[in-house]
Amino acid sequence: GAVVSQHPSRVICKSGTSVKIECRSLDFQATTMFWYRQFPKQSLMLMATSNEGSKATYEQGVEKDKFLINHASLTLSTLTVTSAHPEDSSFYICSASAPGSTFYEQYFGPGTRLTVT
Amino acid sequence: AQTVTQSQPEMSVQEAETVTLSCTYDTSENNYYLFWYKQPPSRQMILVIRQEAYKQQNATENRFSVNFQKAAKSFSLKISDSQLGDTAMYFCAYLMNRDDKIIFGKGTRLHILP
Repeated sequence: GAVVSQHPSRVICKSGTSVKIECRSLDFQATTMFWYRQFPKQSLMLMATSNEGSKATYEQGVEKDKFLINHASLTLSTLTVTSAHPEDSSFYICSASAPGSTFYEQYFGPGTRLTVT
Repeated sequence: AQTVTQSQPEMSVQEAETVTLSCTYDTSENNYYLFWYKQPPSRQMILVIRQEAYKQQNATENRFSVNFQKAAKSFSLKISDSQLGDTAMYFCAYLMNRDDKIIFGKGTRLHILP
């Protein structure tokens, strides 16, 4: 149980275009989802926290107009990178907390590698 | 603000040896949760072990165990009989409440040598 999927796993887009990444909780309802960015050989950097039906809370320094997060249902959150630039190339990971779980760990998706050319 | 510090950027050990990864954290809270996550080359985050701060007993999961020293704010991970598949990046993490953000350390890259 407690599986989180991400789609796509890899995406290449041209500079100036937008790309959407989906994060789904497959077998549980996730009231809270988290979006991270990870550069090579570095730790995960939290970008934003999204709660179902409300606006996402962005971490300091993250451009909310560039990284649009929508959490429209209890099983789906999306991250849209708008007007992508090469410096947006990175590995994006989502996680979700399961309200009914005994333990407080979060469940991570497999990640999405974004390359902007 | 809570912080998590991993002082060993990289470690290498021979297969079958025991290795200990260090982690210290800073918090003024009394109740919280600590985790070790493994990130292999596939980059999927895998939960290795968890510890509830209110429990004095150290958590164990097969070959993985922790040494949780609450007063010292230390949370080290011991891997016994290390295997080649243990090669990965290991992150120490702190969480206060279920829907809070996880605070990650910078990670320790562990290489298990044949």
